[in-house]
Amino acid sequence: GEDVEQSLFLSVREGDSSVINCTYTDSSSTYLYWYKQEPGAGLQLLTYIFSNMDMKQDQRLTVLLNKKDKHLSLRIADTQTGDSAIYFCAETHSSASKIIFGSGTRLSIRP
Amino acid sequence: DVKVTQSSRYLVKRTGEKVFLECVQDMDHENMFWYRQDPGLGLRLIYFSYDVKMKEKGDIPEGYSVSREKKERFSLILESASTNQTSMYLCASSSTVNTEAFFGQGTRLTVV
Repeated sequence: GEDVEQSLFLSVREGDSSVINCTYTDSSSTYLYWYKQEPGAGLQLLTYIFSNMDMKQDQRLTVLLNKKDKHLSLRIADTQTGDSAIYFCAETHSSASKIIFGSGTRLSIRP
Repeated sequence: DVKVTQSSRYLVKRTGEKVFLECVQDMDHENMFWYRQDPGLGLRLIYFSYDVKMKEKGDIPEGYSVSREKKERFSLILESASTNQTSMYLCASSSTVNTEAFFGQGTRLTVV
């Protein structure tokens, strides 16, 4: 079945880059997403990438997709305290309506 | 501004009670979802609906049912609440397959 895996925690120093990694098992995934959840809130879409793309950049965010290895990463440049949150990787594909989420990576920023 | 609204932020219910969690979206979305979120387990899909009166089981439907009588409203029902259903419940909607899902703010349910 489909599965999406992430590490649970990441700690980075303020101003450094954060890289959050994700692996997935479904080779027919069409869309891959990164969602952000701040404390006490629901999830908000940060960015997404189509499976036929290798990279997508949006300001401080860079998404890299290695389709062969089924590996997705999110890089946040110049990490700030406001980036503290849980980041969820998710995937979906054309044959199903449901979106499969990973366990979430809690990003903490140290001064 | 798109909106998914869950009826309660916090709920405390007793074991054995019937519990209704309501979700309303104002975007005319076809798809609606109920997830539960537990530490270290991420979001697990309970049920989803792709049309009025249509529903499909997700990964963990046991102990839950759903109702979608109108397009904008998707209700999650705990027929007889148990302590292992204490969790954060998140509702989401999306317009078609493979597009962004919009989330409500979540309902933190405690069953005592």
